Amino acid sequence: DSGVTQTPKHLITATGQRVTLRCSPRSGDLSVYWYQQSLDQGLQFLIQYYNGEERAKGNILERFSAQQFPDLHSELNLSSLELGDSALYFCASSGGNRGRGTGELFFGEGSRLTVL
Amino acid sequence: TQLLEQSPQFLSIQEGENLTVYCNSSSVFSSLQWYRQEPGEGPVLLVTVVTGGEVKKLKRLTFQFGDARKDSSLHITAAQPGDTGLYLCAERNTDKLIFGTGTRLQVFP
Repeated sequence: DSGVTQTPKHLITATGQRVTLRCSPRSGDLSVYWYQQSLDQGLQFLIQYYNGEERAKGNILERFSAQQFPDLHSELNLSSLELGDSALYFCASSGGNRGRGTGELFFGEGSRLTVL
Repeated sequence: TQLLEQSPQFLSIQEGENLTVYCNSSSVFSSLQWYRQEPGEGPVLLVTVVTGGEVKKLKRLTFQFGDARKDSSLHITAAQPGDTGLYLCAERNTDKLIFGTGTRLQVFP
């Protein structure tokens, strides 16, 4: 058990809909990362937050947004869903020096999104 | 943009065989991490290598960091079915951890 909790574990929805994925980081970790993993594209970095502030952005679509709340949990919002958004979405957390350094990321078990 | 290429992409072997997977970059790594992801779970850190030429061992797994810090390898001795999974190298780029393309390993009993 990594200590990172993601909900829901599975989600099936239709094209055009909007979903919210939730992540609770390990106790004490200030950084939260979101990754998308699809079969043909590996683990793609989406966005990182540190103590409530956006710190780094990857190839995140404009239809996607995220935030980190004062209690450090994070949500990833996916809107106007398309078939190609079907993937595993992972949240990871880390502590340490303002989110930098060679620190280990601790991953949750992921949320599997299926868009029909 | 740092590109991390891993090879081979897929590997299916019998229990007891040895194998090596590779991670190569278009530029110098500041440091490199290796993760293993088992089916239905998130990636878990195996090791971090920092110094060029560094070799680290974790039971039957041997990790090597190239002298020029542009490549790394993971060697598994006497593979077991429990080694089955996706092996990912990753490099920290400022505030984000960028993952390689992955090597999917299947070890048959």
